[in-house]
Amino acid sequence: EVQLVESGGGLVQPGGSLRLSCAASGFIVSNQHMSWVRQAPGRGLEWVSLIYVDGRTFYADSVKGRFTISIDNSKNTLYLQMSSLRVEDTALYFCVRDSRLTATENWFDPWGQGTLVTVSS
Amino acid sequence: ETVLTQSPATLSLSPGDTATLFCRASQSVDIYLGWYQQKPGQAPRLLIYDASNRAAGVPARFSGSGSGTDFTLTISSLEPEDFAVYYCQQRKNWPPLTFGGGTKVEIK
Repeated sequence: EVQLVESGGGLVQPGGSLRLSCAASGFIVSNQHMSWVRQAPGRGLEWVSLIYVDGRTFYADSVKGRFTISIDNSKNTLYLQMSSLRVEDTALYFCVRDSRLTATENWFDPWGQGTLVTVSS
Repeated sequence: ETVLTQSPATLSLSPGDTATLFCRASQSVDIYLGWYQQKPGQAPRLLIYDASNRAAGVPARFSGSGSGTDFTLTISSLEPEDFAVYYCQQRKNWPPLTFGGGTKVEIK
């Protein structure tokens, strides 16, 4: 069974750092594109970052230069290193597999349950 | 950035009704539009991809249509478990990957 379990969220002060982890089971993370999507309290979904199997990375403008997505093959785990955190980064962060469902396109499936990041003084 | 506008924001219906949700893109996304369902306290779940393909395990009462800039998600004969928030998402023009603001389907 494919499963994604996030951890590492918590309360952090503005300007602080945090590293989120996403432990995958049922598949090899490095063989799939992987992504992070966040959801501020009571709000909609916002794409944060994506990492391709070839190592290329992509970021939303709102986090570019502050967040870094990476994979540890030995631990089959996806990470999101977050620094210079802002109040507006407060959200539930979901780890998502970017699954190849057609010959031409990938879609977010499945999703983890999320880990909550709160940025507040 | 491709902006996705969902309407209506809220849909109040009864079990057994048909729900029709709309998603309009600010520029063409061809068929690269997906729909996700999110229930309270849960992660989103992929329902529809490439505008009209149901994801694995999704009941046949869910159907998607459209291409270019205008898309529709139809839920025929609403079941109690279908009351949730639905988001559309495009994969044509990125980064950034973008989502719509969501439509809440609530019990009337």
